[in-house]
Amino acid sequence: AQSVTQLGSHVSVSEGALVLLRCNYSSSVPPYLFWYVQYPNQGLQLLLKYTTGATLVKGINGFEAEFKKSETSFHLTKPSAHMSDAAEYFCAVSEAGNTDKLIFGTGTRLQVFP
Amino acid sequence: SQTIHQWPATLVQPVGSPLSLECTVEGTSNPNLYWYRQAAGRGLQLLFYSVGIGQISSEVPQNLSASRPQDRQFILSSKKLLLSDSGFYLCAWIGDYTEAFFGQGTRLTVV
Repeated sequence: AQSVTQLGSHVSVSEGALVLLRCNYSSSVPPYLFWYVQYPNQGLQLLLKYTTGATLVKGINGFEAEFKKSETSFHLTKPSAHMSDAAEYFCAVSEAGNTDKLIFGTGTRLQVFP
Repeated sequence: SQTIHQWPATLVQPVGSPLSLECTVEGTSNPNLYWYRQAAGRGLQLLFYSVGIGQISSEVPQNLSASRPQDRQFILSSKKLLLSDSGFYLCAWIGDYTEAFFGQGTRLTVV
């Protein structure tokens, strides 16, 4: 069965600093990987996804993530944090070809200080 | 384009009262639909999913049930709410490559 581990439930950075949110997954078959962002009292919005092909994927708002099969990781990065990036971020995994389930991590709350 | 509607946005219910949360999808047919619950510090817990009318799979034993009376309608229910049912409930539709599209969520507080 698939699983996702997000290291660090809270991450704090200064505005303009690098953002790094960690995600490791477990899957018995090639995974599809996702990052979602959630603003307070709202649903989740897709930031980016990896399905096949290029392992470095770019998403909205300047975020990107790299699929590293050898490390079973899909860390999310952004070179320079903005105040508007403060939100909760969820990593998710599903198994390629299995449309039944999308499994989420426990989330990382990102705080951005001026 | 596909849209997903979920209501109500907030709900305060007494312990022991019934619950009905509704989710509808537009712009697609025969969608796979999901109910998640989000509790603080616990991420999103998959409660139910449905791949078609009348087909419901339950992920965890609990006080809740789900129904799919129409192709694009997914309902989350309870006969008697518990305090532990409080949380943020999200309906989702999963499309190509299992990308999920979420409703705006329902904040349920059981008092």
